Amino acid sequence: DTEVTQTPKHLVMGMTNKKSLKCEQHMGHRAMYWYKQKAKKPPELMFVYSYEKLSINESVPSRFSPECPNSSLLNLHLHALQPEDSALYLCASSQVQAPTNYGYTFGSGTRLTVV
Amino acid sequence: GQNIDQPTEMTATEGAIVQINCTYQTSGFNGLFWYQQHAGEAPTFLSYNVLDGLEEKGRFSSFLSRSKGYSYLLLKELQMKDSASYLCAVRSDSWGKFQFGAGTQVVVTP
Repeated sequence: DTEVTQTPKHLVMGMTNKKSLKCEQHMGHRAMYWYKQKAKKPPELMFVYSYEKLSINESVPSRFSPECPNSSLLNLHLHALQPEDSALYLCASSQVQAPTNYGYTFGSGTRLTVV
Repeated sequence: GQNIDQPTEMTATEGAIVQINCTYQTSGFNGLFWYQQHAGEAPTFLSYNVLDGLEEKGRFSSFLSRSKGYSYLLLKELQMKDSASYLCAVRSDSWGKFQFGAGTQVVVTP
């Protein structure tokens, strides 16, 4: 299995809703990432988990709450989002130890629209 | 500061060659990656350079000069399906953070 699976593919939520994005991989990667990508912009790093522990939080607002329940799963819990949070949310995974010559494996993303 | 620059858009005809340049200034360097991204889809890995020189992979080649902070991606025998955004990304430490350029939109015309 060489894929990163993200669900759902599309999500529309109101500003008072609570929802979760899910990401799963079975490649034995022990580093997992959340990126946010707005249209015609590069992916922006949000969170990095290494060995199931949060190692990087790029000053993301608390309305985004990541969780890594085990080495294969990564969640992003969403609460009280704003319309400007509408974007493509990408999950990625990688090996932790160098060398690695393929960088990340990305999931296909969740297209989030906040109304 | 950290900066990765690449052109916004390039247009070329089917069967032609296009070269996408990328210049970078980052606090660390542990590899330069090129990704292809079709609209609304996830980026997919194309190539990796960590030492100076040219890496060839079928129709795609990538070049790196670390002293100049410069890389290029060469796309040969362009096909319509190559119309996509091409992202230059630098890994600044041993594994974790990648910084992406803004992407170059390549438009292939018949």
